[in-house]
Amino acid sequence: EIVLTQSPGTLSLSPGERATLSCRASQSVSSSYLAWYQQKPGQAPRLLIYGASSRATGIPDRFSGSGSGTDFTLTISRLEPEDFAVYYCQQYGNSPRTFGGGTKVEIK
Amino acid sequence: EVQLVESGGGLVQPGGSLRLSCAASGFTVNNTYMSWVRQAPGKGLEWVSVIYSGGSTYYADSVKGRFTISRDNSKNTLYLQMNSLRAEDTAVYYCARDSGYSYGWGQGTLVTVSS
Repeated sequence: EIVLTQSPGTLSLSPGERATLSCRASQSVSSSYLAWYQQKPGQAPRLLIYGASSRATGIPDRFSGSGSGTDFTLTISRLEPEDFAVYYCQQYGNSPRTFGGGTKVEIK
Repeated sequence: EVQLVESGGGLVQPGGSLRLSCAASGFTVNNTYMSWVRQAPGKGLEWVSVIYSGGSTYYADSVKGRFTISRDNSKNTLYLQMNSLRAEDTAVYYCARDSGYSYGWGQGTLVTVSS
C-alpha cells in the first residue's frame, strides 16, 4: 500500500499569500495518478486536481498541481477567503487507493 | 443536473448490518464507475470500495469480506451492504462518481456503530 504523507499539517497564511502544499508518496505513483481535494467543514470533498496537474471542471486557475514519481505539490497562487479549508491528496494508480492525512490551510 | 443523494445511515450495534443507498440523477450509474469513501469523525478520508461499469468490484482491506458494493440499474442507485460492523466503521460515508479519482460527491450519510 502506498502511504501518502502531507506537509505541513497546518499552514497559517493571510489572504493574498501563496500556499504551497506537499504530498510525498512512499513509492512511485503510477502515471502521475494523483488527485487533490478541498474540504470545508460540514461539506463533502471537492475535486481540484487530477493526473497531478489537470484542473477539474470549474476550478479557478489560481490552483495548480505539479510533481511526479513520489513528490507532488498543490499551489494556490493567491489565497482567497473561500480557500481556507483542508486539502487532501490521493493516489489512484495503485491498489488500494490511498489518501494523505490532509493539510489545513487556516487564516493567520 | 447531476446529483447524488445518500441515505440509510444511522445507529447500529457492533456486529450488526446496514445498507447504504446512493440515488443518482442526471447520469446512469450503470455506465459509470462509482465509489464509496468514508470519513471517521474528525479524521481524514478513507477509500472504501469501487464498482466499475463492467461490474468488477474492489474493496479496501479493512472492509473486504464484510462490505459489498452493488447497483440497481432500474433504480439508478448504488448500494453498500455493510455486515459485521465494528466501532471503527463509524464514519460519514460518501458516494461519488469515479475515474480513479472521485468527483461529483454526495452529501454523505453518518453511520454510528455503538452499543
